[in-house]
Amino acid sequence: ETGVTQTPRHLVMGMTNKKSLKCEQHLGHNAMYWYKQSAKKPLELMFVYSLEERVENNSVPSRFSPECPNSSHLFLHLHTLQPEDSALYLCASSQGRGPSYEQYFGPGTRLTVT
Amino acid sequence: KQEVTQIPAALSVPEGENLVLNCSFTDSAIYNLQWFRQDPGKGLTSLLLIQSSQREQTSGRLNASLDKSSGRSTLYIAASQPGDSATYLCAVRKGAQKLVFGQGTRLTINP
Repeated sequence: ETGVTQTPRHLVMGMTNKKSLKCEQHLGHNAMYWYKQSAKKPLELMFVYSLEERVENNSVPSRFSPECPNSSHLFLHLHTLQPEDSALYLCASSQGRGPSYEQYFGPGTRLTVT
Repeated sequence: KQEVTQIPAALSVPEGENLVLNCSFTDSAIYNLQWFRQDPGKGLTSLLLIQSSQREQTSGRLNASLDKSSGRSTLYIAASQPGDSATYLCAVRKGAQKLVFGQGTRLTINP
């Protein structure tokens, strides 16, 4: 495996379910990100982790709970979601936090909340 | 608040044509600007990154320009091919980590 991988690629869940999205980067990077891409809206940054510490939370509702157990793995735990949370969730990583570091994106998880 | 706008939202051209995609941003205090490509159902692939001190970057048939003072960037694609069909996203770096994205231009190259 190379680059940034995400599982599952597709997920359908009910509003009362609990599920988790997983991201893994094989690039030796120190920073990881969650983005949300909704239909007809620009990509939005949700969370930033640097060296396993959350450094940014972009006013995301508490029904989304991130976890970064080590620098290679990032999770997004989901519970009691709403239909408007249906979107493509993208994970990204970068070598460092500074602005000169490019972010590399995974293929995304297409989430549908019914 | 930084806002990024991409025009047009969709573009369809015949194969072989040269084309320009536009991106504008409201706050000129940016670190850099990046162009991405997104294929249907897939993640983002970085195409070009222009630092705030640079005016343009080139990669193969792609050329991106940046005019920070006017808040504009263009992505020029030469001799377009059907494989260039995708959504092209512009993003500006505001702050150490924060990328602010436009909504994208959906490009279709017709054989």
